[in-house]
Amino acid sequence: GEDVEQSLFLSVREGDSSVINCTYTDSSSTYLYWYKQEPGAGLQLLTYIFSNMDMKQDQRLTVLLNKKDKHLSLRIADTQTGDSAIYFCAEVPGSSYKLIFGSGTRLLVRP
Amino acid sequence: EPEVTQTPSHQVTQMGQEVILRCVPISNHLYFYWYRQILGQKVEFLVSFYNNEISEKSEIFDDQFSVERPDGSNFTLKIRSTKLEDSAMYFCAREGQPSYTFGSGTRLTVV
Repeated sequence: GEDVEQSLFLSVREGDSSVINCTYTDSSSTYLYWYKQEPGAGLQLLTYIFSNMDMKQDQRLTVLLNKKDKHLSLRIADTQTGDSAIYFCAEVPGSSYKLIFGSGTRLLVRP
Repeated sequence: EPEVTQTPSHQVTQMGQEVILRCVPISNHLYFYWYRQILGQKVEFLVSFYNNEISEKSEIFDDQFSVERPDGSNFTLKIRSTKLEDSAMYFCAREGQPSYTFGSGTRLTVV
């Protein structure tokens, strides 16, 4: 089946690290993605990871992939107020080219 | 210059009317997609379009919906007879091996 789940809400203090978690069901997924959506805006690709990797780091962003548990996480270091947004996890199932999105995690960064 | 341009940014239409949403993916990519996001909900796959044909479609994409790439450039989504529940943000996307780039969306409001 194709399903991606995320927690709905995360609140952190400015300067702290944020960790957003995601689980997916398709073990044959080739790529997994993180998108950011600010209020009233479109979907901005933050980063992606290939399924044969465990970790990917890109400046303040670290993606961890546990393929055995089908668990993906996004860590944002030194979280800023501008990071407040909805973060969507997404997978590309092995049988398809379409993106399947999670329900999104709303990140609130408190000053 | 954005890689995927959508027009209009906002469309208001009366129930039962036809609407055409437009997307200009500035590239030579072959895979294009339409997604929908009802306010406050997850991003849902509608249809994928490859080599001028529908490659895959979801249950949402019923007979009221159609897609075309009439001139090899513009990529359109037509809703023949809009319903109130068609009110949503509609995103066009193109697949870029392996990233997916989304347009800024068209907000469709059916009244």
